[in-house]
Amino acid sequence: QSALTQPPSVSGSPGQSVTISCTGTSSDVGSYNRVSWYQQPPGTAPKLMIYEVSNRPSGVPDRFSGSKSGNTASLTISGLQAEDEADYYCSSYTSSSPLYVFGTGTKVTVL
Amino acid sequence: QVTLRESGPALVKPTQTLTLTCTFSGFSLSTSGMCVSWIRQPPGKALEWLALIDWDDDKYYSTSLKTRLTISKDTSKNQVVLTMTNMDPVDTATYYCARISLSSNAFDIWGQGTMVTVSS
Repeated sequence: QSALTQPPSVSGSPGQSVTISCTGTSSDVGSYNRVSWYQQPPGTAPKLMIYEVSNRPSGVPDRFSGSKSGNTASLTISGLQAEDEADYYCSSYTSSSPLYVFGTGTKVTVL
Repeated sequence: QVTLRESGPALVKPTQTLTLTCTFSGFSLSTSGMCVSWIRQPPGKALEWLALIDWDDDKYYSTSLKTRLTISKDTSKNQVVLTMTNMDPVDTATYYCARISLSSNAFDIWGQGTMVTVSS
């Protein structure tokens, strides 16, 4: 099972929107709504930002939104802020072993 | 408040067996729908899912590491233990444990992680 494919980096100015894609297969992203997104600032543990494709846990700003189309999920950060600078990872449940798979990671830079 | 904390050796020698313990609070692993997973991250690299144990003691492993991993739980102690045999320098990474609940179907709470270096 290969990792989900994400762009290595995306950037934007404060206030702009950026979108991170996460491409999988029909065995994972395409078949299940168990897609989640994690934010990881340098030197810290990942933090859940989006679960089940588009749901935000309590405390996550509504600037963060998720969606899915076919085998590709997306995370959009609207109104980009300096504190959003971090690595972002997607994850999906998969019907084939292993049980879960992570994305390759995307570094978000706020210009 | 749900918390998880990883513990284990910071340094292991090649070919040795690594034993990591995840001690958690704020939930019970005997509650239907609760799971604990192990995930690792080599320095500067992406996250990699390793193993999962659920409330019913079902266990799941990464395909590539299945022969080297064992996950177990001690519900009375609120602990999940991961052992990895035949450690190699490429296994140098930060190892995280994280909770999965059926309400989110995601790794909703993570431990702080523990860095393990494999070197002679």
